Amino acid sequence: GDSVTQMEGPVTLSEEAFLTINCTYTATGYPSLFWYVQYPGEGLQLLLKATKADDKGSNKGFEATYRKETTSFHLEKGSVQVSDSAVYFCALSDYNQGGKLIFGQGTELSVKP
Amino acid sequence: GAGVSQSPSNKVTEKGKDVELRCDPISGHTALYWYRQSLGQGLEFLIYFQGNSAPDKSGLPSDRFSAERTGGSVSTLTIQRTQQEDSAVYLCASSLARSEAFFGQGTRLTVV
Repeated sequence: GDSVTQMEGPVTLSEEAFLTINCTYTATGYPSLFWYVQYPGEGLQLLLKATKADDKGSNKGFEATYRKETTSFHLEKGSVQVSDSAVYFCALSDYNQGGKLIFGQGTELSVKP
Repeated sequence: GAGVSQSPSNKVTEKGKDVELRCDPISGHTALYWYRQSLGQGLEFLIYFQGNSAPDKSGLPSDRFSAERTGGSVSTLTIQRTQQEDSAVYLCASSLARSEAFFGQGTRLTVV
């Protein structure tokens, strides 16, 4: 079945460092891809999305490009801030599999001043 | 309402009791999900409703767990004979088909 794999956490960075959180997926169809973020003590919220190959989703300085050839959707940010400390979840929705939203295991990011 | 609403926000129950958790999705959303998040853990899929299709119950951990969605809108997750390992935050989300899901704030269940 469809699945999402994220890099293990926790990831600890200094402020203004470059961030990459790897995400790869397995899907039988052509899924939409998402990054969700959960700030401490808060609910999950959508960070960005991409619906087809080569699309780039972006929001709040974060970017991710839908790479069909490598089945990847890595999250990047050029300069992280302390306020980016959160848990990040990669997810897919495959219409050919009923559209169910499937999440990766989450990656905790901690940014130190 | 404008977002996904879950009630109660917190529930403390005694081991062995039954509990019902409620989710009001965003109006018009055809898909509804239940997930469970234990402390410091990821999201555990429980059940998925999509339109009039049979629900995907593949994530329900035992037959003590059940869920229904009435009239394609409100959903109730029921846990019978609660156990301490059921303690977690239960999250509900809704979406349009193949679109991003919007999450509620969750119900924090504590079984004592």
